[in-house]
Amino acid sequence: KAGVTQTPRYLIKTRGQQVTLSCSPISGHRSVSWYQQTPGQGLQFLFEYFSETQRNKGNFPGRFSGRQFSNSRSEMNVSTLELGDSALYLCASSKAESEAFFGQGTRLTVV
Amino acid sequence: GIQVEQSPPDLILQEGANSTLRCNFSDSVNNLQWFHQNPWGQLINLFYIPSGTKQNGRLSATTVATERYSLLYISSSQTTDSGVYFCAVEKVGNQFYFGTGTSLTVIP
Repeated sequence: KAGVTQTPRYLIKTRGQQVTLSCSPISGHRSVSWYQQTPGQGLQFLFEYFSETQRNKGNFPGRFSGRQFSNSRSEMNVSTLELGDSALYLCASSKAESEAFFGQGTRLTVV
Repeated sequence: GIQVEQSPPDLILQEGANSTLRCNFSDSVNNLQWFHQNPWGQLINLFYIPSGTKQNGRLSATTVATERYSLLYISSSQTTDSGVYFCAVEKVGNQFYFGTGTSLTVIP
């Protein structure tokens, strides 16, 4: 079966711009969670959506937001980009409280 | 949040050697997974192991939930095993807490 698909794979943006990343979960999975990976902070939880509702949110500023659609696809948006937002963004999909599977990630560079 | 500690942080092995990676966590959890991060950044599932022991080829894992630790065993290591290994735990709502990883280098 198809895995978790993230688009785009690579992205270069300028400070102050905004960006939208997409994640299509495995068919039948209703939970999508997002993570940021940086060399300094490691892998950190951003937020999690289940059936279009945000259930959990990590400790990130309000510039980071997300949403989930009725087909379980999810998007995350970062507004007013900062250099420190440069990172690998990973999404994971799962059924409720079971094994999670990750996508290939979107590597965002802010210049 | 839950603290996850992995050890050792770095490991260099000769091809064919065995190794044990450890993951300690600070609270009871519902889920524990081991991942291998490939050079392109994707997290590859190794084990979904909230408790007990599992084996998959040269890899095996054991989680002792009551004592809040998990072990990943790699036997007869190969150069393709090189990379970073992460332990991640989840308590509620598919929110994972990750360790800082073990960077493994296998030398031919």
